[in-house]
Amino acid sequence: RKEVEQDPGPFNVPEGATVAFNCTYSNSASQSFFWYRQDCRKEPKLLMSVYSSGNEDGRFTAQLNRASQYISLLIRDSKLSDSATYLCVVNPSGTYKYIFGTGTRLKVLA
Amino acid sequence: EAQVTQNPRYLITVTGKKLTVTCSQNMNHEYMSWYRQDPGLGLRQIYYSMNVEVTDKGDVPEGYKVSRKEKRNFPLILESPSPNQTSLYFCASSQGPGRNTGELFFGEGSRLTVL
Repeated sequence: RKEVEQDPGPFNVPEGATVAFNCTYSNSASQSFFWYRQDCRKEPKLLMSVYSSGNEDGRFTAQLNRASQYISLLIRDSKLSDSATYLCVVNPSGTYKYIFGTGTRLKVLA
Repeated sequence: EAQVTQNPRYLITVTGKKLTVTCSQNMNHEYMSWYRQDPGLGLRQIYYSMNVEVTDKGDVPEGYKVSRKEKRNFPLILESPSPNQTSLYFCASSQGPGRNTGELFFGEGSRLTVL
């Protein structure tokens, strides 16, 4: 089993739709969680960190479920510019490693 | 401007010809790391460094070397490149893992082709 798993997609959604991605992780001692966005052939950029209590940044909401070992990303009112690959990243406790999922590709259609 | 700079951005080379990909950051970050990205495999960590003269292997270190003689620089060395090292490479830096300091800042990537 991979340490971090994501559905590769693509998720094709119309503008204005709400879409959610999940990411599961296998190391229960994982401490820090992040969502990154990567545009085609570009470097990944931080979208948001994921806090235990859940957190929101505009149209984006991230949740952490430690019991089931997954994190989620919800995008409301999708825009064409949201089309990208979304990477889930986990930092296991006590390590200096960042473990990336393979990414979920989102296409927002006009 | 805060940034991570990698060079070269694109390189085509031949098997066995030693090459170095440079990485420099201007944010005084202690943590730096190298990743390779391949289709279907995502980003995989090659090496990382917690501070000057402190480095450790990531998940795919075979065929690579690194050094951290100065805080700002973290070059990736391929002593004898092979075709299976054809990939897109990213250098990244952060203050250090942890929710509040763990944001990774990435360079623009170096696309390497080994013939």
